[in-house]
Amino acid sequence: DAGITQSPRHKVTETGTPVTLRCHQTENHRYMYWYRQDPGHGLRLIHYSYGVKDTDKGEVSDGYSVSRSKTEDFLLTLESATSSQTSVYFCAIRGDEQFFGPGTRLTVL
Amino acid sequence: AQSVTQLGSHVSVSEGALVLLRCNYSSSVPPYLFWYVQYPNQGLQLLLKYTSAATLVKGINGFEAEFKKSETSFHLTKPSAHMSDAAEYFCAVRKTGANSKLTFGKGITLSVRP
Repeated sequence: DAGITQSPRHKVTETGTPVTLRCHQTENHRYMYWYRQDPGHGLRLIHYSYGVKDTDKGEVSDGYSVSRSKTEDFLLTLESATSSQTSVYFCAIRGDEQFFGPGTRLTVL
Repeated sequence: AQSVTQLGSHVSVSEGALVLLRCNYSSSVPPYLFWYVQYPNQGLQLLLKYTSAATLVKGINGFEAEFKKSETSFHLTKPSAHMSDAAEYFCAVRKTGANSKLTFGKGITLSVRP
């Protein structure tokens, strides 16, 4: 299995609070991605990174920011969480293929 | 722009029956195509991929898919369903090129009846 971990795995928070999700890889891959998964929508790309300090927006980036200061870590931040951001968040890395982390289930009350 | 259509959200088959999960794609350039499987409470796992080599692609767990350019399709099949195949299946497309991104279909849930 590709070495991808996500933390936390589960989180419950309140509307308006900041939340940071972490993705850590041990594969030294250049490309990293954050997706959210919602019923009926499949996986939608939030942000992605193509190198340290190089990031770009995906199709559902509003309300999210990312940072990548090291190759192995890609952080996703919800500056002020809303109930619509309740979802399962997946990190992925890519070499020849795309590999996914185990996911973080976030509930915003 | 590229896109993937997975018709229907749920397929139910009997154990031992043929599994057929449909995927149609839209892409302005020859695409790479993928099928991923997600078991309950887990991340996505790659089943198989098409990258412009053989049009019939064999994957893990007995699954295969055939790339048909004339039909813009990449349907997933398995001759005989097993109870352990019950999961959600996602088709995905991306362009060739280092910076291209995956676009996913909405997924199909496969149920297997005893």
